[in-house]
Amino acid sequence: GESVGLHLPTLSVQEGDNSIINCAYSNSASDYFIWYKQESGKGPQFIIDIRSNMDKRQGQRVTVLLNKTVKHLSLQIAATQPGDSAVYFCAENRGSGTYKYIFGTGTRLKVLA
Amino acid sequence: DAGITQSPRHKVTETGTPVTLRCHQTENHRYMYWYRQDPGHGLRLIHYSYGVKDTDKGEVSDGYSVSRSKTEDFLLTLESATSSQTSVYFCAIRGDRSTGELFFGEGSRLTVL
Repeated sequence: GESVGLHLPTLSVQEGDNSIINCAYSNSASDYFIWYKQESGKGPQFIIDIRSNMDKRQGQRVTVLLNKTVKHLSLQIAATQPGDSAVYFCAENRGSGTYKYIFGTGTRLKVLA
Repeated sequence: DAGITQSPRHKVTETGTPVTLRCHQTENHRYMYWYRQDPGHGLRLIHYSYGVKDTDKGEVSDGYSVSRSKTEDFLLTLESATSSQTSVYFCAIRGDRSTGELFFGEGSRLTVL
């Protein structure tokens, strides 16, 4: 079936440490993946994306890793800050021109002072 | 700012009444989406549109209909609202880059009593 899931519903990290949020997807045909951040009361905001022909992509303080062999996606946040506290979602696009984006259930990141 | 406006932002209604949520965009994007967000389920796709009068079902389309008579507006209708449709509804548009991340509105909170 169609599913994009997350291993950990809540992640607590000390301020200044690195955070790693994981995501598993089930459809090998998916060709595009996105990470979103959602703060309380707001809509999801784009963080970083990666196409299936890449293994790694870096942004500002964030890195996304894609392992197609095991259908696994991760988001790494360097030097986690209090402002990083939010719910993080991964999403996959099924590809083949469908532009049908399926989201995971989300992981809450708590940054401890 | 992706120019997305959702209305109403908050609505309380009774079971059995019809409800229409409106998503308006100002940037002439082709793809528009309706998601619902519930605790423990993340974001689930209801319907999406790939052009005027062109729509398709998502993961949880039962009980919902959509219409898109012009590019800028995508309407979500609950013909006869039920308590299970109490949720936060998000509209999204797909960006025009070759990869095309989604940009979300601020959400519409619907309570069905």
